[in-house]
Amino acid sequence: SQQGEEDPQALSIQEGENATMNCSYKTSINNLQWYRQNSGRGLVHLILIRSNEREKHSGRLRVTLDTSKKSSSLLITASRAADTASYFCATDNFGNEKLTFGTGTRLTIIP
Amino acid sequence: ETGVTQSPTHLIKTRGQQVTLRCSSQSGHNTVSWYQQALGQGPQFIFQYYREEENGRGNFPPRFSGLQFPNYSSELNVNALELDDSALYLCASSLVTATPETQYFGPGTRLLVL
Repeated sequence: SQQGEEDPQALSIQEGENATMNCSYKTSINNLQWYRQNSGRGLVHLILIRSNEREKHSGRLRVTLDTSKKSSSLLITASRAADTASYFCATDNFGNEKLTFGTGTRLTIIP
Repeated sequence: ETGVTQSPTHLIKTRGQQVTLRCSSQSGHNTVSWYQQALGQGPQFIFQYYREEENGRGNFPPRFSGLQFPNYSSELNVNALELDDSALYLCASSLVTATPETQYFGPGTRLLVL
C-alpha cells in the first residue's frame, strides 16, 4: 500500500515559474526523500531530509518537513522544460530499509 | 546515470509463464531492493537482499522470489504470471552501512503479461 499521497496529482506551469508539490504520509519516519521519474523510467534521487531537519536546499530545490503534520513540500524554483517529470516522495522507517512511496505529482513545464 | 543496470528493458509474456529479471548493483553497494510500479502508481516494495539473504519483504505472494549473488547482482523471479503483474520493475542498490541510506535506481524492466 502507498504511504501517502502527493498533492496535486498533476501540475502545469509556465517555464520560469516556481513549482510546489506536497506530500503527506501516515506513520513516523526516519528520512523522507524526493525522487524524479521521466517517462516511466528509473527514479532519480533528488534530495533527502532527515526527521530532525525542517528545511533543506539543493540547487533550485527546497524541501521542507513538518513531522507534526506528517507532511513535506518540494519547491522547484525557476522551472525549466527539463523539469517535466513525475515527482515522488518516499519515506523510510526506523529499522526498516524499505522505501514507501507516495502516488506522485505529474509536473509539466510549458515552454 | 546511477550505475545500476537492469535487463531486459522490455519483456512480453503470457499468463502462466515464468520470468526472470536481472539487476547489477552500483559498484560498492551490497544491498539490492526490488519494486513494482503499476501504471500511474508509485513504486511498491517487493523485497530486499543483503549479503545474499532476503532482508525484508513487502506484501507480495511467494511466487515472487529473488536471489542475490556474491558480486551483489540480483534476480527477480515471478512464477505463474498474472495479468496484474504487468508493470515496471525497478531495482535499487544501496550501501547498508551508509547513514542515511540512499537507494539508487536502475532504469527498470517493463513487463507486459498477455
